[in-house]
Amino acid sequence: EVQLLESGGGLVQPGGSLRLSCAASGFTFNNYAMSWVRQTPGKGLEWVSAISGSGGSTYYADSVKGRFTISRDNSKNTLSLQMNSLRAEDTAVYYCAKVDGSYYGAGDYWGQGTLVTVSS
Amino acid sequence: EIVLTQSPGTLSLSPGERATLSCRASQSVSSSYFAWYQQKPGQAPRLLISGASSRATGIPDRFSGSGSGTDFTLTISRLEPEDFAVYYCQQYGSSPRSFGQGTKLEIK
Repeated sequence: EVQLLESGGGLVQPGGSLRLSCAASGFTFNNYAMSWVRQTPGKGLEWVSAISGSGGSTYYADSVKGRFTISRDNSKNTLSLQMNSLRAEDTAVYYCAKVDGSYYGAGDYWGQGTLVTVSS
Repeated sequence: EIVLTQSPGTLSLSPGERATLSCRASQSVSSSYFAWYQQKPGQAPRLLISGASSRATGIPDRFSGSGSGTDFTLTISRLEPEDFAVYYCQQYGSSPRSFGQGTKLEIK
């Protein structure tokens, strides 16, 4: 059974940093790309970032480019999102999602999400 | 960046009726890299359709996807009570891999 468990969310001041993690199990982790998607409470989904199965290719939304860094540790089946220079508009539930391909694909399994609140 | 526009914003129907949800892309979506998701309150999104028309594992055959290029459709042939939710489209053929703003399917 595929399981994705996010952690690392919390309250952070504007300008601060936070690192999210996603522990994956139930599939061959390095065969699949992974994504982060966020959702502002009561609003729609926003794609944030993706990384290929090998980790060699990364992709970012313009809204986070230069501030967020996606990475993965295939030896530990873990996906990470380092978030720097956080802004109020980054407040959201952050989901990690397994992608159904090594580079491109839809999100076929999702974690339950972790809440990030950026506020003073 | 490809912008996805979903219509209608809200769809009010009764159980047993047919639902047709639309998603239009601002540019052609390459190789039908297109998906539909369902989201219920307090839950993560659930993949329904990928590749524009392929049902994900475990998805009932009352859900079907069609379309190519810039126009895509999700059809639910006969609505069940558990189908009332918010539906999102997504293109994943180019970066950023954008989502539509969602269509809320509510009970009439």
